[in-house]
Amino acid sequence: EPEVTQTPSHQVTQMGQEVILRCVPISNHLYFYWYRQILGQKVEFLVSFYNNEISEKSEIFDDQFSVERPDGSNFTLKIRSTKLEDSAMYFCASRLTGYGANVLTFGAGSRLTVL
Amino acid sequence: AQTVTQSQPEMSVQEAETVTLSCTYDTSESNYYLFWYKQPPSRQMILVIRQEAYKQQNATENRFSVNFQKAAKSFSLKISDSQLGDTAMYFCAFMMGNAGNMLTFGGGTRLMVKP
Repeated sequence: EPEVTQTPSHQVTQMGQEVILRCVPISNHLYFYWYRQILGQKVEFLVSFYNNEISEKSEIFDDQFSVERPDGSNFTLKIRSTKLEDSAMYFCASRLTGYGANVLTFGAGSRLTVL
Repeated sequence: AQTVTQSQPEMSVQEAETVTLSCTYDTSESNYYLFWYKQPPSRQMILVIRQEAYKQQNATENRFSVNFQKAAKSFSLKISDSQLGDTAMYFCAFMMGNAGNMLTFGGGTRLMVKP
Protein backbone atom coordinates (compact mmCIF):
# COMPACT_ATOMS: atom_id res chain seq x y z
CA GLU A 1 0.00 0.00 0.00
CA PRO A 2 1.36 3.46 -0.88
CA GLU A 3 2.86 5.38 2.03
CA VAL A 4 3.82 8.90 2.95
CA THR A 5 7.47 8.83 4.00
CA GLN A 6 8.98 11.30 6.43
CA THR A 7 12.61 11.93 7.38
CA PRO A 8 14.18 12.24 9.85
CA SER A 9 12.17 10.25 12.35
CA HIS A 10 13.76 12.21 15.18
CA GLN A 11 15.86 15.35 15.16
CA VAL A 12 17.46 17.14 18.07
CA THR A 13 18.56 20.72 17.51
CA GLN A 14 19.69 23.75 19.43
CA MET A 15 17.43 26.75 19.81
CA GLY A 16 17.97 29.20 16.97
CA GLN A 17 19.08 26.60 14.46
CA GLU A 18 17.35 25.96 11.16
CA VAL A 19 15.59 22.66 10.65
CA ILE A 20 14.27 21.05 7.49
CA LEU A 21 11.79 18.22 7.73
CA ARG A 22 11.28 16.16 4.60
CA CYS A 23 8.31 14.30 3.24
CA VAL A 24 7.70 12.16 0.19
CA PRO A 25 3.94 12.18 -0.46
CA ILE A 26 2.14 9.42 -2.30
CA SER A 27 3.09 9.79 -5.95
CA ASN A 28 -0.29 10.61 -7.51
CA HIS A 29 -1.47 12.84 -4.65
CA LEU A 30 -1.72 16.53 -5.34
CA TYR A 31 -2.58 18.11 -1.98
CA PHE A 32 0.04 18.19 0.73
CA TYR A 33 -0.20 19.16 4.37
CA TRP A 34 1.88 19.69 7.47
CA TYR A 35 0.43 19.21 10.93
CA ARG A 36 2.08 19.31 14.30
CA GLN A 37 1.31 17.71 17.64
CA ILE A 38 2.89 19.02 20.79
CA LEU A 39 3.24 16.17 23.27
CA GLY A 40 -0.08 15.42 24.95
CA GLN A 41 -2.01 17.93 22.88
CA LYS A 42 -4.24 17.86 19.84
CA VAL A 43 -3.06 17.64 16.26
CA GLU A 44 -2.90 21.14 14.78
CA PHE A 45 -3.01 22.20 11.14
CA LEU A 46 -0.04 24.20 9.89
CA VAL A 47 -0.31 24.52 6.13
CA SER A 48 -1.74 23.03 2.96
CA PHE A 49 -0.06 23.13 -0.43
CA TYR A 50 -1.47 22.63 -3.91
CA ASN A 51 -0.25 23.41 -7.39
CA ASN A 52 3.07 24.67 -6.08
CA GLU A 53 1.66 27.21 -3.71
CA ILE A 54 0.25 27.48 -0.22
CA SER A 55 -3.53 27.11 -0.35
CA GLU A 56 -4.19 27.66 3.35
CA LYS A 57 -2.20 28.24 6.50
CA SER A 58 -2.92 28.59 10.19
CA GLU A 59 -1.88 31.27 12.65
CA ILE A 60 0.88 28.95 13.84
CA PHE A 61 2.51 29.09 10.41
CA ASP A 62 4.29 32.40 10.83
CA ASP A 63 7.32 33.83 9.05
CA GLN A 64 9.60 31.31 10.75
CA PHE A 65 8.00 28.53 8.73
CA SER A 66 8.17 27.85 5.02
CA VAL A 67 7.29 24.99 2.73
CA GLU A 68 8.69 23.94 -0.58
CA ARG A 69 8.33 21.29 -3.20
CA PRO A 70 11.87 21.38 -4.58
CA ASP A 71 11.35 18.56 -7.06
CA GLY A 72 8.61 16.23 -8.21
CA SER A 73 8.66 14.04 -5.13
CA ASN A 74 9.75 15.90 -1.99
CA PHE A 75 7.75 18.29 0.17
CA THR A 76 9.69 20.09 2.89
CA LEU A 77 8.93 22.11 5.98
CA LYS A 78 11.62 24.56 7.08
CA ILE A 79 11.77 26.23 10.45
CA ARG A 80 14.27 29.08 10.18
CA SER A 81 15.16 29.73 13.79
CA THR A 82 13.80 27.10 16.12
CA LYS A 83 12.32 27.91 19.50
CA LEU A 84 11.78 25.64 22.47
CA GLU A 85 8.05 25.65 21.78
CA ASP A 86 8.64 24.20 18.32
CA SER A 87 9.37 20.86 19.99
CA ALA A 88 6.64 18.60 18.66
CA MET A 89 5.79 15.75 16.35
CA TYR A 90 5.39 17.00 12.79
CA PHE A 91 3.17 15.05 10.45
CA CYS A 92 3.09 15.28 6.70
CA ALA A 93 -0.05 14.19 4.86
CA SER A 94 -1.24 14.01 1.28
CA ARG A 95 -4.41 13.32 -0.64
CA LEU A 96 -5.84 13.09 -4.11
CA THR A 97 -8.12 15.70 -5.63
CA GLY A 98 -11.57 15.25 -7.04
CA TYR A 99 -14.80 13.68 -5.94
CA GLY A 100 -14.39 11.40 -2.94
CA ALA A 101 -10.69 12.22 -2.56
CA ASN A 102 -11.04 13.53 0.95
CA VAL A 103 -8.94 11.07 2.90
CA LEU A 104 -5.60 12.32 4.13
CA THR A 105 -2.85 9.74 4.38
CA PHE A 106 -0.37 10.61 7.08
CA GLY A 107 3.29 9.82 7.40
CA ALA A 108 4.77 8.33 10.57
CA GLY A 109 5.89 11.75 11.76
CA SER A 110 9.14 13.52 12.54
CA ARG A 111 9.84 14.21 16.18
CA LEU A 112 11.61 17.53 16.69
CA THR A 113 13.31 18.27 19.99
CA VAL A 114 14.62 21.80 20.49
CA LEU A 115 17.11 22.24 23.35
CA ALA B 1 -14.47 28.23 12.20
CA GLN B 2 -15.24 24.61 12.82
CA THR B 3 -14.63 23.06 16.21
CA VAL B 4 -14.46 19.42 17.23
CA THR B 5 -14.95 18.32 20.83
CA GLN B 6 -14.16 14.99 22.40
CA SER B 7 -15.47 15.05 25.94
CA GLN B 8 -13.82 11.84 27.14
CA PRO B 9 -10.06 12.31 27.70
CA GLU B 10 -9.61 8.69 28.73
CA MET B 11 -11.61 5.48 28.55
CA SER B 12 -10.98 1.85 29.26
CA VAL B 13 -12.70 -1.32 28.17
CA GLN B 14 -12.25 -5.01 28.77
CA GLU B 15 -11.02 -7.10 25.91
CA ALA B 16 -13.93 -8.43 23.79
CA GLU B 17 -16.32 -5.80 25.14
CA THR B 18 -17.83 -2.87 23.25
CA VAL B 19 -16.93 0.77 23.80
CA THR B 20 -18.27 4.01 22.38
CA LEU B 21 -16.21 7.16 21.98
CA SER B 22 -18.04 10.48 21.73
CA CYS B 23 -17.46 13.39 19.38
CA THR B 24 -19.42 16.55 18.72
CA TYR B 25 -18.68 19.25 16.23
CA ASP B 26 -19.85 22.69 15.36
CA THR B 27 -20.30 23.94 11.81
CA SER B 28 -22.69 25.97 9.71
CA GLU B 29 -21.77 23.98 6.62
CA SER B 30 -24.04 21.28 5.17
CA ASN B 31 -21.42 19.53 3.03
CA TYR B 32 -18.61 18.01 5.05
CA TYR B 33 -16.84 14.83 6.05
CA LEU B 34 -16.11 13.28 9.41
CA PHE B 35 -13.31 10.93 10.33
CA TRP B 36 -11.94 8.88 13.17
CA TYR B 37 -8.16 8.46 13.25
CA LYS B 38 -6.26 6.12 15.53
CA GLN B 39 -2.85 7.00 16.95
CA PRO B 40 -1.14 4.00 18.59
CA PRO B 41 1.99 4.40 20.74
CA SER B 42 4.05 4.56 17.54
CA ARG B 43 2.25 7.93 17.02
CA GLN B 44 1.39 7.26 13.39
CA MET B 45 -2.06 8.57 12.41
CA ILE B 46 -4.16 5.79 10.93
CA LEU B 47 -7.60 6.26 9.37
CA VAL B 48 -10.23 4.15 11.10
CA ILE B 49 -13.45 5.21 9.43
CA ARG B 50 -15.03 8.11 7.54
CA GLN B 51 -18.53 9.44 7.01
CA GLU B 52 -19.90 11.76 4.34
CA ALA B 53 -22.42 14.18 5.81
CA TYR B 54 -24.82 13.75 2.89
CA LYS B 55 -25.13 10.02 3.58
CA GLN B 56 -27.76 9.01 6.12
CA GLN B 57 -26.41 5.51 6.51
CA ASN B 58 -23.84 5.09 9.25
CA ALA B 59 -20.41 3.96 8.07
CA THR B 60 -19.03 0.63 9.22
CA GLU B 61 -15.59 -0.95 8.88
CA ASN B 62 -15.43 -4.43 10.37
CA ARG B 63 -15.53 -3.97 14.17
CA PHE B 64 -15.77 -0.18 13.88
CA SER B 65 -18.99 1.68 13.27
CA VAL B 66 -20.25 5.20 13.76
CA ASN B 67 -23.46 6.77 14.98
CA PHE B 68 -23.82 9.92 12.91
CA GLN B 69 -26.50 12.29 14.14
CA LYS B 70 -26.37 15.25 11.76
CA ALA B 71 -28.99 17.38 13.48
CA ALA B 72 -27.29 16.91 16.83
CA LYS B 73 -23.82 17.33 15.25
CA SER B 74 -22.69 14.17 16.91
CA PHE B 75 -20.36 11.50 15.51
CA SER B 76 -19.57 8.68 17.93
CA LEU B 77 -17.34 5.69 17.26
CA LYS B 78 -18.31 2.21 18.43
CA ILE B 79 -15.64 -0.45 18.73
CA SER B 80 -17.04 -3.96 19.05
CA ASP B 81 -15.13 -6.98 20.31
CA SER B 82 -12.30 -4.74 21.56
CA GLN B 83 -8.81 -6.09 21.07
CA LEU B 84 -5.56 -5.25 22.85
CA GLY B 85 -4.31 -3.71 19.61
CA ASP B 86 -7.09 -1.15 19.77
CA THR B 87 -5.25 0.57 22.63
CA ALA B 88 -4.46 4.01 21.23
CA MET B 89 -5.44 7.66 21.10
CA TYR B 90 -8.51 8.20 18.95
CA PHE B 91 -9.07 11.51 17.22
CA CYS B 92 -12.30 12.70 15.69
CA ALA B 93 -11.77 15.05 12.75
CA PHE B 94 -13.83 17.29 10.47
CA MET B 95 -13.25 18.41 6.89
CA MET B 96 -15.37 20.84 4.88
CA GLY B 97 -16.66 19.58 1.57
CA ASN B 98 -15.00 22.01 -0.78
CA ALA B 99 -11.61 21.27 -2.23
CA GLY B 100 -8.32 21.85 -0.49
CA ASN B 101 -9.49 22.05 3.04
CA MET B 102 -7.73 20.70 6.02
CA LEU B 103 -8.77 18.40 8.82
CA THR B 104 -9.71 19.92 12.14
CA PHE B 105 -9.05 17.51 14.98
CA GLY B 106 -10.63 17.06 18.37
CA GLY B 107 -8.52 16.78 21.49
CA GLY B 108 -8.48 12.99 21.42
CA THR B 109 -9.63 10.14 23.66
CA ARG B 110 -7.07 7.77 25.09
CA LEU B 111 -8.49 4.24 24.98
CA MET B 112 -7.00 1.44 27.02
CA VAL B 113 -8.13 -2.11 26.28
CA LYS B 114 -7.55 -4.32 29.31
CA PRO B 115 -6.96 -8.07 29.12
